[in-house]
Amino acid sequence: DTAVSQTPKYLVTQMGNDKSIKCEQNLGHDTMYWYKQDSKKFLKIMFSYNNKELIINETVPNRFSPKSPDKAHLNLHINSLELGDSAVYFCASSRTGGSNQPQHFGDGTRLSIL
Amino acid sequence: AQKITQTQPGMFVQEKEAVTLDCTYDTSDQSYGLFWYKQPSSGEMIFLIYQGSYDEQNATEGRYSLNFQKARKSANLVISASQLGDSAMYFCAMSATGFQKLVFGTGTRLLVSP
Repeated sequence: DTAVSQTPKYLVTQMGNDKSIKCEQNLGHDTMYWYKQDSKKFLKIMFSYNNKELIINETVPNRFSPKSPDKAHLNLHINSLELGDSAVYFCASSRTGGSNQPQHFGDGTRLSIL
Repeated sequence: AQKITQTQPGMFVQEKEAVTLDCTYDTSDQSYGLFWYKQPSSGEMIFLIYQGSYDEQNATEGRYSLNFQKARKSANLVISASQLGDSAMYFCAMSATGFQKLVFGTGTRLLVSP
């Protein structure tokens, strides 16, 4: 009964490949997010979606394309992977996008580019 | 724009003692939320505590309390009676009304010794 689940947990691939990370939440939340945590542990928002609609795209290269088929799912597809994409990617969700709503995170996907 | 500053890269505390992790923030928004998250070495992000900008009382959740000083723009986390399992990275974050994202600080690594 995991609240926010991401797959895969680990992703090792070569430069230039295309890969996807899936995220699902069973909390009934309206808002979902993708964050990137770099090698120095700094967390930064990439995208946020509210009821399947894109709300924030925080100057992310267009090689990254999020897709939300329904409000319980937010997947992240990455084209032409580069060395700098190596990071941990976290999916999160909150009941609404309000400033008083805690975000619940998945366990993260560690992406390593060879 | 919102900004979170955590000036302590690392903190040490002995088991059963209390510890304060510092967090200052900067925002021109009147309505905002402040959050603390814990990231153990296993990598998941765990929500600990929330404080709203209009809340007059400091938030508490078990052994965690948030020392909120609005005029000084600080939101320090106090952990009472530290346990070995409290060893982790701790992140302060904020969200402002209308901005559907969390802005994170750089984190503080807490080590609890026996």
